Amino acid sequence: NAGVMQNPRHLVRRRGQEARLRCSPMKGHSHVYWYRQLPEEGLKFMVYLQKENIIDESGMPKERFSAEFPKEGPSILRIQQVVRGDSAAYFCASSPNMGETQYFGPGTRLLVL
Amino acid sequence: AQTVTQSQPEMSVQEAETVTLSCTYDTSESDYYLFWYKQPPSRQMILVIRQEAYKQQNATENRFSVNFQKAAKSFSLKISDSQLGDAAMYFCAYLISNFGNEKLTFGTGTRLTIIP
Repeated sequence: NAGVMQNPRHLVRRRGQEARLRCSPMKGHSHVYWYRQLPEEGLKFMVYLQKENIIDESGMPKERFSAEFPKEGPSILRIQQVVRGDSAAYFCASSPNMGETQYFGPGTRLLVL
Repeated sequence: AQTVTQSQPEMSVQEAETVTLSCTYDTSESDYYLFWYKQPPSRQMILVIRQEAYKQQNATENRFSVNFQKAAKSFSLKISDSQLGDAAMYFCAYLISNFGNEKLTFGTGTRLTIIP
């Protein structure tokens, strides 16, 4: 059973470009979560999605950030017009149901030049 | 708002010895879940152990065990027979799980060094 998969593992963007981060949950998991980890800090919750629905986006910045989890295909975290402060590791996690353990992917390291 | 506090930014232990990492949390809820995750140099987040708040028995996973004190809101991790592969950042995390609130709240982490 493959774990949570994220790609790309590393992403370099120039200021003003768009970044698209992908996450494929573990087989059988329909709940997806995105977290951001700034250097030398813990993970901070961004958004919680189920298939075709955003359940909780209380941790998402109001502008430039969006997330989706379509009926088919991976979950996407999209950052428009990236700025240097967006440089961080972005982790995706998945769980089979509410209240269940969240299993993390390897993360995508975004560097904005 | 729930908060998780890890008061030890760094800890070190001799190989084969035992070490305890501390974690306290603040919540007004009675039903919740607590976790320890480790993050080795690869930066992957790996589940170490999980505890349900309604269970009085402390969780154990091989060399890893917790001391869960619900009244004191304390959730420490004990690593026995420390091994070089245990070197990592350890994060304590809290999950409430209700009404669509499924967010993990993490502490700031403890960096554990294993001395050969």
